[in-house]
Amino acid sequence: DAGVIQSPRHEVTEMGQEVTLRCKPISGHDYLFWYRQTMMRGLELLIYFNNNVPIDDSGMPEDRFSAKMPNASFSTLKIQPSEPRDSAVYFCASTVVAGYTFGSGTRLTVV
Amino acid sequence: GIQVEQSPPDLILQEGANSTLRCNFSDSVNNLQWFHQNPWGQLINLFYIPSGTKQNGRLSATTVATERYSLLYISSSQTTDSGVYFCAVGWGGSEKLVFGKGTKLTVNP
Repeated sequence: DAGVIQSPRHEVTEMGQEVTLRCKPISGHDYLFWYRQTMMRGLELLIYFNNNVPIDDSGMPEDRFSAKMPNASFSTLKIQPSEPRDSAVYFCASTVVAGYTFGSGTRLTVV
Repeated sequence: GIQVEQSPPDLILQEGANSTLRCNFSDSVNNLQWFHQNPWGQLINLFYIPSGTKQNGRLSATTVATERYSLLYISSSQTTDSGVYFCAVGWGGSEKLVFGKGTKLTVNP
């Protein structure tokens, strides 16, 4: 298995633009998580899905953030409009019972 | 929510030394994992260990759930062990994890 695949690896965008981050979980994993990592706040959970259904989105910072999982092999995290304070590394992870597997992350810079 | 505290925050070792990293948590947990974030930012799962002891090569981990702590042991450290070690816990039957702030380990040659 190729592991959890995220794209793009790096994204630089201007304030106000829409940003879409993508994630392909490991086949057979029924949980998918989106985390954000910053120096100030560390690793924080944004949202997670079970069998493509959003279970807990309490970590989504505001209405500018949205996430979808249209099928078992694909999820997106969208920020619209983006702001400089959204700059961070965004990780996707998947699991089936025990032990997360993380993707390589997307480093987002909003200028 | 649950609190996760890791110690020490920073640790500098010479190659070959042993170390113990600690994770304290404030409530009963049903999930506890240790991760290593390498200098390139990749997060690697080391152990899933909500209780008991596990070993994998030079690394081992012990979780004493009744006393709300977990320990990660690194023996004969190597420069490739450098990075940040995170403890993460889950509680209340949920699959989501709350991460500690990490221990930054530097192993010098």
